[in-house]
Amino acid sequence: QVHLVESGGGVVQPGRSLRLSCAASGFTFGDYYMHWVRQPPGKGLEWVAVMSHDGSLEYKADSVKGRLSIYRDNSEKKLYLQMDSLKFDDTGVYFCARGVPTSAGGLDYWGQGILVTVSS
Amino acid sequence: AIQMTQSPSSLSASVGDSVTISCRASQDIRKDFGWYQQKPGKAPKLLIHAASTLESGVPSRFSGSGSGTDFTLTINNVQPEDVAVYYCLQDYYYPWTFGQGTKIEIK
Repeated sequence: QVHLVESGGGVVQPGRSLRLSCAASGFTFGDYYMHWVRQPPGKGLEWVAVMSHDGSLEYKADSVKGRLSIYRDNSEKKLYLQMDSLKFDDTGVYFCARGVPTSAGGLDYWGQGILVTVSS
Repeated sequence: AIQMTQSPSSLSASVGDSVTISCRASQDIRKDFGWYQQKPGKAPKLLIHAASTLESGVPSRFSGSGSGTDFTLTINNVQPEDVAVYYCLQDYYYPWTFGQGTKIEIK
């Protein structure tokens, strides 16, 4: 079955960098758009970024443009989120999620999430 | 970016009640819209996509309706296991945006 497992989280100082990984299994990774969604502690969900199935397209939320980069390795079945110049507001649980390939299909599978804490 | 305004922020219901959550988009998003359920400490779960299509395995007491700018999620015969936060999400165009969430509690 479909599994998404995030890793790479932890405690990091403001201004530093962190790279999150999402390992996929149970489906043909290279056929799907993949997304990152985050959730600050005790708050709602925020869509962060998406990368197309072949890596040719990406879109990001305005709040992360210029600091967070999304990329993927289809041969390794992994999605990444490179987080630079981290701010306190970047603290939260980060989920990777699979995009349904049909229009308006939503996000049908999610990882368990990984906590990123930006703290001095 | 498209703004999604979700209401109410919380509600309390008795087992067996019917409840409705609303979500309004700041512009026409056709039916490119979904509802998600998040239980404490868990990842969100897709309940409904394309505004009204129930995901496989989701109980039929959940239903969605709407198109354009106004959408609703209805839960009939609320059960204790429905305690969760519910979010709407527009997937019409990027950046996708979530509503603020609605917390459902049981009286």
